[in-house]
Amino acid sequence: DADVTQTPRNRITKTGKRIMLECSQTKGHDRMYWYRQDPGLGLRLIYYSFDVKDINKGEISDGYSVSRQAQAKFSLSLESAIPNQTALYFCATSWGQNTGELFFGEGSRLTVL
Amino acid sequence: AQSVTQLDSQVPVFEEAPVELRCNYSSSVSVYLFWYVQYPNQGLQLLLKYLSGSTLVKGINGFEAEFNKSQTSFHLRKPSVHISDTAEYFCAVSEASFGNEKLTFGTGTRLTIIP
Repeated sequence: DADVTQTPRNRITKTGKRIMLECSQTKGHDRMYWYRQDPGLGLRLIYYSFDVKDINKGEISDGYSVSRQAQAKFSLSLESAIPNQTALYFCATSWGQNTGELFFGEGSRLTVL
Repeated sequence: AQSVTQLDSQVPVFEEAPVELRCNYSSSVSVYLFWYVQYPNQGLQLLLKYLSGSTLVKGINGFEAEFNKSQTSFHLRKPSVHISDTAEYFCAVSEASFGNEKLTFGTGTRLTIIP
């Protein structure tokens, strides 16, 4: 089983719908992140969390919200999805030390029609 | 604020030929540098990293990169590529005084190996 698991792996939804992407990890890491990947733009940070009570906005947090339900679980919500939120979303985890090594899930492909 | 540039969006290379993927960064302070690889339908995984010390860094799968401070570059090289190296490669930079949340990723280089 993967150390960082994302569900769903693929989702097609309509404009205006609420959608939640879930991430769970078995690595025991305190830090968790949500990134968005768009072709030609690389990865951009949406939100990150250092522990259950510490949640921070990233570079592109508008239109998104997150919840850290437990050390091992970090979910990303789109309250009212719009087409330009169509992208590949990645959850990642890391140790507390600032070594730059992130451990990524396999991604959740979201299409908003 | 730091930035990273990967000038080549796609690089086709014949199998067993050498390859170099270019990465240049911009920062006014000391940096950490990274290369991540994304195989088809997978998440990213760390290929190698430079934090300090020797400027030549060796990573997994026979890849290496050299930190060149004067040219602000961190190019990735492999002397002989294999079909299994087909993937997208991302260079990333963070300022040494900041944390993982300050990683800035490049736009990626898609490496295609031609049999």
